[in-house]
Amino acid sequence: AQSVTQLDSQVPVFEEAPVELRCNYSSSVSVYLFWYVQYPNQGLQLLLKYLSGSTLVESINGFEAEFNKSQTSFHLRKPSVHISDTAEYFCAVKVFSGGYNKLIFGAGTRLAVHP
Amino acid sequence: EAGVAQSPRYKIIEKRQSVAFWCNPISGHATLYWYQQILGQGPKLLIQFQNNGVVDDSQLPKDRFSAERLKGVDSTLKIQPAKLEDSAVYLCASSSRLAGATDTQYFGPGTRLTVL
Repeated sequence: AQSVTQLDSQVPVFEEAPVELRCNYSSSVSVYLFWYVQYPNQGLQLLLKYLSGSTLVESINGFEAEFNKSQTSFHLRKPSVHISDTAEYFCAVKVFSGGYNKLIFGAGTRLAVHP
Repeated sequence: EAGVAQSPRYKIIEKRQSVAFWCNPISGHATLYWYQQILGQGPKLLIQFQNNGVVDDSQLPKDRFSAERLKGVDSTLKIQPAKLEDSAVYLCASSSRLAGATDTQYFGPGTRLTVL
């Protein structure tokens, strides 16, 4: 069965420091990978996605993620975080099962940016 | 473009009571999803509709949960009777194509249910 593992439940970091949120997936077929962000008391918002092509994908607010097929990883990075990046981040994989597509989410990583 | 709307935002009930959640997807979106997000976990798909038909309800506890999307637009998720373990955030999402592999799901703000 396909699954997504987010290795860190919480990541504390100081403002302007770099950060990496780790995500590993298990799948034996082609994958489509996503990172969603959830700010307090809000729904999930798509941050970035990998469908095909370049293995490095970027978001509009400075985050990037790299698809690594050999390591089955899709880690999220940002070179310099802001207080406003404090949120929960979910990695997800879309799988085709039973005739339809479904998103499988990891347990989430809570990013806490401190001044 | 208006996003996915959900109501209520918060609900507190006692165990064995009934509760219903409402979702209005983005206009024109054929596919609608209900997820359950328990504290400390990622969202788990409960049910997926394409237009007014159920595509996948394999994770829906059918003895107490039900959902409908009668006209292929808005949807209602019901729990009857509620248990303590149903305390969670219930998220609704929609996507434009018929569950395409590459299409994006857009999420509503969720309904936070507390069962006492």
